[in-house]
Amino acid sequence: GIQVEQSPPDLILQEGANSTLRCNFSDSVNNLQWFHQNPWGQLINLFYIPSGTKQNGRLSATTVATERYSLLYISSSQTTDSGVYFCAVERGGSNYKLTFGKGTLLTVNP
Amino acid sequence: ETGVTQTPRHLVMGMTNKKSLKCEQHLGHNAMYWYKQSAKKPLELMFVYSLEERVENNSVPSRFSPECPNSSHLFLHLHTLQPEDSALYLCASSQSGGGYGYTFGSGTRLTVV
Repeated sequence: GIQVEQSPPDLILQEGANSTLRCNFSDSVNNLQWFHQNPWGQLINLFYIPSGTKQNGRLSATTVATERYSLLYISSSQTTDSGVYFCAVERGGSNYKLTFGKGTLLTVNP
Repeated sequence: ETGVTQTPRHLVMGMTNKKSLKCEQHLGHNAMYWYKQSAKKPLELMFVYSLEERVENNSVPSRFSPECPNSSHLFLHLHTLQPEDSALYLCASSQSGGGYGYTFGSGTRLTVV
């Protein structure tokens, strides 16, 4: 199956700092999503981004499908950004199989 | 609410009990999923239903039994579970060909004692 690798596994920031999270995947995809898992376990969909660039407030994401990676940018981080960020992909032709990476645990200190 | 509602939020059950997890989606999607998230492990796909038919069973033990009575509702029936089955169980929905990705519920945190 498709492999999804996220880096770094852990990241500690001071409030106000910027960060970049990376997701590498091993095959072509027709779906790529970034999720934030809050302390209560809910997966919040941040971006649906199989290719291109999107921005939503302090967050933005870029996927370069031809090079099989995606980046999530967090600017001016806040303590509420803390949690686990997951990248998940669905390979072209494999409907209904969303494969997750192991996640990046982000801690933002005040 | 995210459009996908799961109940209960927390469940503690003994190994001889029978319980059910419920998921309801209000998004008009045609596919629904059960995922399991154990500590220190990536999310694992358990079951997939598309148009109310099971299209994926990811080698899940028979003590987990899914049911999809219609396109909006999904259940996971649990019986004679083991302590290692303690985990966060997440439901999700999607629209095939929709181009909007998956939407997840808040999850049920299950503890088997």
